[in-house]
Amino acid sequence: KQEVTQIPAALSVPEGENLVLNCSFTDSAIYNLQWFRQDPGKGLTSLLLIQSSQREQTSGRLNASLDKSSGRSTLYIAASQPGDSATYLCAGSNFGNEKLTFGTGTRLTIIP
Amino acid sequence: DVKVTQSSRYLVKRTGEKVFLECVQDMDHENMFWYRQDPGLGLRLIYFSYDVKMKEKGDIPEGYSVSREKKERFSLILESASTNQTSMYLCASSLGSSSGNTIYFGEGSWLTVV
Repeated sequence: KQEVTQIPAALSVPEGENLVLNCSFTDSAIYNLQWFRQDPGKGLTSLLLIQSSQREQTSGRLNASLDKSSGRSTLYIAASQPGDSATYLCAGSNFGNEKLTFGTGTRLTIIP
Repeated sequence: DVKVTQSSRYLVKRTGEKVFLECVQDMDHENMFWYRQDPGLGLRLIYFSYDVKMKEKGDIPEGYSVSREKKERFSLILESASTNQTSMYLCASSLGSSSGNTIYFGEGSWLTVV
């Protein structure tokens, strides 16, 4: 069964810095990995989806990478802004399985 | 624009009550999901539906049932609510043509059982 881990649970970074959020998974048969953002008391918003045939995806200041051999995905945020403060979750699924397994998230705070 | 709507944002129910949580999506998605989210435990899948009238148990189905009579609507039912079901419940949907589709979430329903 796929297990997904996100460390650290919380991270504080000064505004303007570039930062990397980490996601580890146990099953290298992962088919896709998604990154989500969650604001307090709200639902999840999909940020990026990487399929196993891809190594990375980019959207604006966000770049997500996937390394199946090492069991890792990273979310890179460039030039961080206070509005980036939120909890970021990653989730993976294996081929033929529509169900995602979620990490517990990293709570990011950007300090003005 | 993609939309998953959970009709109730905040509910307070008494122990033993029957509770219905409703979810509607407007994207003609085949797959719909119910998760619960608890501090320190993350999101856990309760039930999954891949078509009308079709359902599959997730990781924590005990104490819950679901109904999908129409493609756009997926209901979560707590037959007899208990205090350990106090949680945030999240509905989601995705296309069912193949794995690897973006999943879209609703805003969540906060349920308190007293």
